[in-house]
Amino acid sequence: NAGVTQTPKFQVLKTGQSMTLQCAQDMNHNSMYWYRQDPGMGLRLIYYSASEGTTDKGEVPNGYNVSRLNKREFSLRLESAAPSQTSVYFCASSEISEQGYHEQYFGPGTRLTVT
Amino acid sequence: AQSVAQPEDQVKVAEGNPLTVKCTYSVSGNPYLFWYVQYPNRGLQFLLKYITGDNLVKGSYGFEAEFNKSQTSFHLKKPSALVSDSALYFCAAYLWDSSYKLIFGSGTRLLVRP
Repeated sequence: NAGVTQTPKFQVLKTGQSMTLQCAQDMNHNSMYWYRQDPGMGLRLIYYSASEGTTDKGEVPNGYNVSRLNKREFSLRLESAAPSQTSVYFCASSEISEQGYHEQYFGPGTRLTVT
Repeated sequence: AQSVAQPEDQVKVAEGNPLTVKCTYSVSGNPYLFWYVQYPNRGLQFLLKYITGDNLVKGSYGFEAEFNKSQTSFHLKKPSALVSDSALYFCAAYLWDSSYKLIFGSGTRLLVRP
């Protein structure tokens, strides 16, 4: 099992450019998430998908769109990148644990710089 | 508002000394708490979690954490620090709402001096 994979690992964009961050999981999890990590702010939820075919906004959705392509894949799109979107992006997926909460598994992250 | 706080941006200890990284939480419902570690240019790695049971939880790499309900704290500890423990540590709490999400503290950078 590869777990949660993300591509690319690094990306540099110019302001106004667009790009899509890819995330895939091979654990047959229903729920998937996109977080961003900024210095001094921890990780903040951008969007999540509780199940295939559904997506919902998290804390910081502005400037992003997502697509839950199928059960395995959850992509994050920046339509017009801004320097404020320079961050490390983490994808996660989750399964329901024995105790009834969603146990999250994280990908390796994508480091994005917008100049 | 529900939140997780890590009051120290940075903790410095000498190798071989005990270390503590502090975390306090404010969440509704049963607190399910987690510690993650991020090494330079690496992803998040799970260290340990508190769900129920013993207040002292043992995790990976010799780390442990103590859950204290009265103080709403979940401090990360290790009896003897290693230089290789130098990394960024995040405390997180699970939210019992429809998002199933984790809320994270701001992170604490641990520096272990040789």
